Amino acid sequence: DTGVSQDPRHKITKRGQNVTFRCDPISEHNRLYWYRQTLGQGPEFLTYFQNEAQLEKSRLLSDRFSAERPKGSFSTLEIQRTEQGDSAMYLCASSPGGWVETQYFGPGTRLLVL
Amino acid sequence: DAKTTQPTSMDCAEGRAANLPCNHSTISGNEYVYWYRQIHSQGPQYIIHGLKNNETNEMASLIITEDRKSSTLILPHATLRDTAVYYCIVRVTFLGTASKLTFGTGTRLQVTL
Repeated sequence: DTGVSQDPRHKITKRGQNVTFRCDPISEHNRLYWYRQTLGQGPEFLTYFQNEAQLEKSRLLSDRFSAERPKGSFSTLEIQRTEQGDSAMYLCASSPGGWVETQYFGPGTRLLVL
Repeated sequence: DAKTTQPTSMDCAEGRAANLPCNHSTISGNEYVYWYRQIHSQGPQYIIHGLKNNETNEMASLIITEDRKSSTLILPHATLRDTAVYYCIVRVTFLGTASKLTFGTGTRLQVTL
């Protein structure tokens, strides 16, 4: 059973650098979500893809953030000009859709901006 | 959006049932209740969901009150591996059936020997 995978698992970067994270959803899941989780808080929704189309973005997703899902398979989340406030766990979830969907989460990428 | 209220923390002895309450008094008639848990430094793990009837799966049981204003997640025989933060979520849908899961701060369950 191959679940959602994310790479890298940990990333340390200096303020001002760009970083990119990758998410590989469960095979044939057409829905993909990104969430962000800061210390002591629950995850917060960032953005949603249905196949290759990005259909919803949270106001948390500033213009320094961009996400893609080419060909409707894996997805990438890029943060440009990182800030210390971007330090968080970035979580990806996928779902097969349906009326009552269940989202399955990956292990997350923990980002630390120095 | 329906808001959920959970106790901040609970303890449970290993082998005993863990009963985790959740209040969602503003839930709408067609909104589902979901439970996830998050073990330290891992991604959230789906446990169970329900609308109005009680539900059971291999992990847990979900009891929803008749007025749907509250629910209880039951882990029948808690083990040390069940130590985690448990989130009760009222699913918010958009664009038809896509979901934004609003996690809140959850209940930290500590299972002890």
